[in-house]
Amino acid sequence: GQQVMQIPQYQHVQEGEDFTTYCNSSTTLSNIQWYKQRPGGHPVFLIQLVKSGEVKKQKRLTFQFGEAKKNSSLHITATQTTDVGTYFCAGPSGGYQKVTFGIGTKLQVIP
Amino acid sequence: ETGVTQTPRHLVMGMTNKKSLKCEQHLGHNAMYWYKQSAKKPLELMFVYNFKEQTENNSVPSRFSPECPNSSHLFLHLHTLQPEDSALYLCASSQHQTGAPNTGELFFGEGSRLTVL
Repeated sequence: GQQVMQIPQYQHVQEGEDFTTYCNSSTTLSNIQWYKQRPGGHPVFLIQLVKSGEVKKQKRLTFQFGEAKKNSSLHITATQTTDVGTYFCAGPSGGYQKVTFGIGTKLQVIP
Repeated sequence: ETGVTQTPRHLVMGMTNKKSLKCEQHLGHNAMYWYKQSAKKPLELMFVYNFKEQTENNSVPSRFSPECPNSSHLFLHLHTLQPEDSALYLCASSQHQTGAPNTGELFFGEGSRLTVL
């Protein structure tokens, strides 16, 4: 079945540095979603991208969907300690309502 | 507060016990899900229900038995589990649009942390 690969699995950054996580699919995706899970918490929806080449911004977060709709990225500018957590990408896979998650990128921000 | 409530939050059980996890959503959604989250593994989809009907069973062992009596409630019945089943079990709901190949955003509950001894 369709797999969603995500890199890196871990990232430590100094507060104020930028951070990027990448997501790649083996097949074309109709859409891609991004979630954030704080330590000890549950995944929380951030955004959904649908169109080829789409770019969306949420304050310091920039989300991109590749032209071929097989890859996506999340970029955080000037990280803050509140950005700490694991960021997951997720895409539909096979079944009508199946959503497959990447392994996630765990972000640590050093004050 | 996500509108999806899971109980219990923590559960410890022996391999011969029978227990159940409960999920309730107050969002009026038509689809509900069980996911398993283990350390160093992606979130694993277990079951999907749409309007109370099971639409996905992702090759889950029969020691996990889901039940969906209505669109707002979802249970996961557990029996004769193994220590490797210890994980965080997350319930989620979404509003699925008929005819669309994807789901709307998933709203997760806080999870039930299960430990099997």
